[in-house]
Amino acid sequence: EVQLVESGGGLVKPGGSLRLSCAASGFTFSSYSMNWVRQAPGKGLEWVSSISSSSSYIYYADSVKGRFTISRDNAKNSLYLQMNSLRAEDTAVYYCASPFVWGQGTLVTVSS
Amino acid sequence: EIVLTQSPATLSVSPGERATLSCRASQSVSSYLAWYQQKPGQAPRLLIYDASNRATGIPARFSGSGSGTDFTLTISSLEPEDFAVYYCQQRSNWQVTFGQGTRLEIK
Repeated sequence: EVQLVESGGGLVKPGGSLRLSCAASGFTFSSYSMNWVRQAPGKGLEWVSSISSSSSYIYYADSVKGRFTISRDNAKNSLYLQMNSLRAEDTAVYYCASPFVWGQGTLVTVSS
Repeated sequence: EIVLTQSPATLSVSPGERATLSCRASQSVSSYLAWYQQKPGQAPRLLIYDASNRATGIPARFSGSGSGTDFTLTISSLEPEDFAVYYCQQRSNWQVTFGQGTRLEIK
């Protein structure tokens, strides 16, 4: 079964850091580009970052550029998102997304 | 940034009827457009990719059409489980964007 499972979300204070992880199974992870997409409570979908299959190409939304870092470990079938200098407006469910399936999401809450 | 505009914002349709959802891009995205369905408390599910290709396991009542800047998602005969929010997404360049969503509700 094709599956993506996120972890690492939680409550963090403004200015803090958090690292999200996404474990992939059921498909050849190393062959596909991967994305992080977020959804603030009651809002629509917002693309956050993309990484190519070999990590050669990495892109960020302007809203997170310079604060978030995407990475992957193809040997471990895992995707990561390092989030620094977090702000209240970063509060959202963060989804790990392949071209054909998404994870169930992990909630990040930034609040004092 | 390519902006995707979905219409209508809310669509009220009776079960068994046809639903037509629209997505317009601010510039051409060729055929690099996808449609997702999202139900409350769930992750989005891919329905259509590259404008007109159904994803694995998606029923034939879902179809996509269009290219360039104008795209349509059609649900031929609505089932109760189809009432949800639908998003279009473009990936024609590195900066992926989503439409604001269309809520499909039971009339």
